[in-house]
Amino acid sequence: DTGVSQDPRHKITKRGQNVTFRCDPISEHNRLYWYRQTLGQGPEFLTYFQNEAQLEKSRLLSDRFSAERPKGSFSTLEIQRTEQGDSAMYLCASSLGSGGTRETEAFFGQGTRLTVV
Amino acid sequence: GNSVTQMEGPVTLSEEAFLTINCTYTATGYPSLFWYVQYPGEGLQLLLKATKADDKGSNKGFEATYRKETTSFHLEKGSVQVSDSAVYFCALSVIKAAGNKLTFGGGTRVLVKP
Repeated sequence: DTGVSQDPRHKITKRGQNVTFRCDPISEHNRLYWYRQTLGQGPEFLTYFQNEAQLEKSRLLSDRFSAERPKGSFSTLEIQRTEQGDSAMYLCASSLGSGGTRETEAFFGQGTRLTVV
Repeated sequence: GNSVTQMEGPVTLSEEAFLTINCTYTATGYPSLFWYVQYPGEGLQLLLKATKADDKGSNKGFEATYRKETTSFHLEKGSVQVSDSAVYFCALSVIKAAGNKLTFGGGTRVLVKP
């Protein structure tokens, strides 16, 4: 397995356009996280899936953002009507949770850098 | 809520110098603590972790001790190399059944010069 992969690596879009990012987690991992990282800051949690269920969403995730993980494997993050403030690195991470609170470390992808012009 | 504060960079060092990056936290509940590293052009990688008070995490010559009394998890390395140049993030996670989201500090850029 090659780890967590994200596509595309870079995306430049005009303000008002919709964009969609994809994350392919490590194959046996049942937990998937999305984070956003702006320049010079640490990553901030956006949302979390266990299998196909979206179990938690941050208040950072406005109604223009939607995330899915339809079959409990890959995930997509869509941003509608993009704004300049959406420019950031979007990171995906996956882990294996096995009953209760046990969980492996989170493995991160290289991220998708979004620039809204 | 949960938060992590770490010293701002950049930190510039000569090779073989001693490195310390301070990290303090506030948390509701009993957190696990982590240091992640981001090398140029690469994704975040877990460097080390500690899950309870007085635990010491270590990896690649780096160490950090979970100090509950001072709510700190400072990262240290006795002799840095040029290859240690990276951005270092302190993070915490309050373990719960519904996922262990991470709360990160702002990151500290370290530049090691030959």
